[in-house]
Amino acid sequence: DIVMTQTPLSSPVTLGQPASISCRSSQSLLHSDGTTYLSWLQQRPGQPPRLLIYKISNRFSGVPDRFSGSGAGTDFTLKISRVEAEDVGVYYCTQATQFPYTFGQGTKLEIK
Amino acid sequence: QVHLQESGPGLVKPSETLSLTCTVSGGSISRDYWSWIRQPPGKGLEWIGYVHHTGTTKYNPSLKSRITTSLDTSKNQFSLKLSSVTAADTAVYYCARIVGVLGSAFDIWGQGTMVTVPS
Repeated sequence: DIVMTQTPLSSPVTLGQPASISCRSSQSLLHSDGTTYLSWLQQRPGQPPRLLIYKISNRFSGVPDRFSGSGAGTDFTLKISRVEAEDVGVYYCTQATQFPYTFGQGTKLEIK
Repeated sequence: QVHLQESGPGLVKPSETLSLTCTVSGGSISRDYWSWIRQPPGKGLEWIGYVHHTGTTKYNPSLKSRITTSLDTSKNQFSLKLSSVTAADTAVYYCARIVGVLGSAFDIWGQGTMVTVPS
């Protein structure tokens, strides 16, 4: 299985300041078809996960442009340009390049 | 707008079979892939498997021997059966849609249903 490792596991951030979450995979997520199947999910407290970013850097419908994704191969990053109160929650990276699909352990974003 | 809703018993006895159904509204189940994911209390996410209307299925090898999935296009529902459950299967179970053009991302999720297996 591809292991997804996120850092940090917890990120206290001041409102209005940027935040960054790293995700590293144990194998390259570049599929033989040329696509990298890496996405990011946000899970607010008491809510199901919500898709933020797909294929490394594409924002899903309705996701604010303060969220951005980047990376390639085995190293990926989710950035929030200016954290807002509604961004509190746990963020997961996930890969669909190889079965079984796997998730990072989650990064908890909280406000200082 | 597509909406997913899980249903099933909240309590399952050890060694019995957990059975859940996901009802899809606002769209057809005869496209895309339909998945199950679970989240133990206070923990992260685990992919269980998916089913496609063509009959294609893919399961997590860690659970494969205990999983059965099915899809009913007439009811726009898909289902999960997990046999021989133990306390380790206690979790919130989510159904979700996988869309190929979105890089097989889970783009729509149900609210989740808590299933408890007492120890």
